[in-house]
Amino acid sequence: QKEVEQNSGPLSVPEGAIASLNCTYSDRGSQSFFWYRQYSGKSPELIMSIYSNGDKEDGRFTAQLNKASQYVSLLIRDSQPSDSATYLCAQGPSGGGADGLTFGKGTHLIIQP
Amino acid sequence: DTAVSQTPKYLVTQMGNDKSIKCEQNLGHDTMYWYKQDSKKFLKIMFSYNNKELIINETVPNRFSPKSPDKAHLNLHINSLELGDSAVYFCASSKGNQPQHFGDGTRLSIL
Repeated sequence: QKEVEQNSGPLSVPEGAIASLNCTYSDRGSQSFFWYRQYSGKSPELIMSIYSNGDKEDGRFTAQLNKASQYVSLLIRDSQPSDSATYLCAQGPSGGGADGLTFGKGTHLIIQP
Repeated sequence: DTAVSQTPKYLVTQMGNDKSIKCEQNLGHDTMYWYKQDSKKFLKIMFSYNNKELIINETVPNRFSPKSPDKAHLNLHINSLELGDSAVYFCASSKGNQPQHFGDGTRLSIL
C-alpha cells in the first residue's frame, strides 16, 4: 500500500526565516509529486509540482526531489504570517495512471510575527 | 469563473438517508476524482474516473457510487448514510498526471 509520511507538526518558524517541510514516500514507481497548501476550512491549493530529481523554484517556494532517497521537500523563503497553513505532500500514481493522489497527513506550519 | 464547482457546500442529513453531491469542471480535464477528508484532516482518494476507466479505492464501501453523465461532471451518490460518513468530500480534476484542481468541498454532517 502506498504511503506518504510527513511530520504533523506544528512547525513554528519566525517571520522572515526559511520554513523547511519534508516528506517521504513509499511508491518508487511514482513520477509526479505535489505540495498543496490548505487553510482551515478551505480546499487544497497547489503550491508546487515536481517531476524530476533536483530543485524547482517558483518565487519564494523551492521544491526538492530525491527519487533515490524517496524524499520530497518544500522550502519557503522569507516566511510570511499568511504562509501559516497545513501543507500536504502528495505523490501521483505509478506510471502516470488514472488513480488519484496519495496524500500525507500534512504538516501544520505556524509563522510567528 | 469557478474551475471545479461542487454543490451543495453543506449537507446535513439523518442516518439512513440517500444523498448526492454534484461536481462540475470547466477546465477541459479528462480525469475527475472524489476525495474524503476526515475529522483528522487526512485526505484520501475514493474514486478516479476518466472516459476509459473507473478506479475504486478498495476501502470505499459500496454504498458510495460515482456517476458521470459526461466528461465535465462526476457526481457522488451515497446510500444509507452512516455516522462515519461525516466528513468533507472534495471533487478534483486533472489532465493526465498534471496537478489536480480541487473544488471547495462539501461538508457532510450525519445526525
